[in-house]
Amino acid sequence: ELKVEQNPLFLSMQEGKNYTIYCNYSTTSDRLYWYRQDPGKSLESLFVLLSNGAVKQEGRLMASLDTKARLSTLHITAAVHDLSATYFCAAPWREYGNKLVFGAGTILRVKS
Amino acid sequence: DAEITQSPRHKITETGRQVTLACHQTWNHNNMFWYRQDLGHGLRLIHYSYGVHDTNKGEVSDGYSVSRSNTEDLPLTLESAASSQTSVYFCASSEDGTGELFFGEGSRLTVL
Repeated sequence: ELKVEQNPLFLSMQEGKNYTIYCNYSTTSDRLYWYRQDPGKSLESLFVLLSNGAVKQEGRLMASLDTKARLSTLHITAAVHDLSATYFCAAPWREYGNKLVFGAGTILRVKS
Repeated sequence: DAEITQSPRHKITETGRQVTLACHQTWNHNNMFWYRQDLGHGLRLIHYSYGVHDTNKGEVSDGYSVSRSNTEDLPLTLESAASSQTSVYFCASSEDGTGELFFGEGSRLTVL
């Protein structure tokens, strides 16, 4: 069974600081997805990482994928309040037709 | 613009009633999914479909059913609603290839 674990599950940080959210998954996968969810809203696709070593950046967020370590990171640079949201990673479960299995989510609160 | 819409957005029903949540997408995606989101459980897959007349069970399919009579729609039916089915339900679709999911706005269901 594919398990996807995120840490931390809750992150409170000051504006201007840097931090990293980690996403570990338990079985082989060559791709990884990151989503953002604002309170009471839907999930919005942030990054699609399709190969080992993939790195993508959008504004203050940068995501990377290491398929050998079964690890993806979402790095936040100089956080601003608008980044406050819940961030989910998801990995495809190869033995289950590549259905996406989601992590529990990381609640990020950026304090002014 | 292509989109995915869910209805109703909010519904309150009684135990034992049949409930149907609608999902309509204009992306022309073959793949459609239903997830439920609960605190402490993240997103869990209920049912999914890879095309017309194709339906498959996800990890939490008991008490739910879907049908796919055309590309655009995947309605989710709760045959006899139970309080344990109080949740937020998300429909999603994806095109073949990247596996990236596009989510609807969600349907909040309360079963009293």
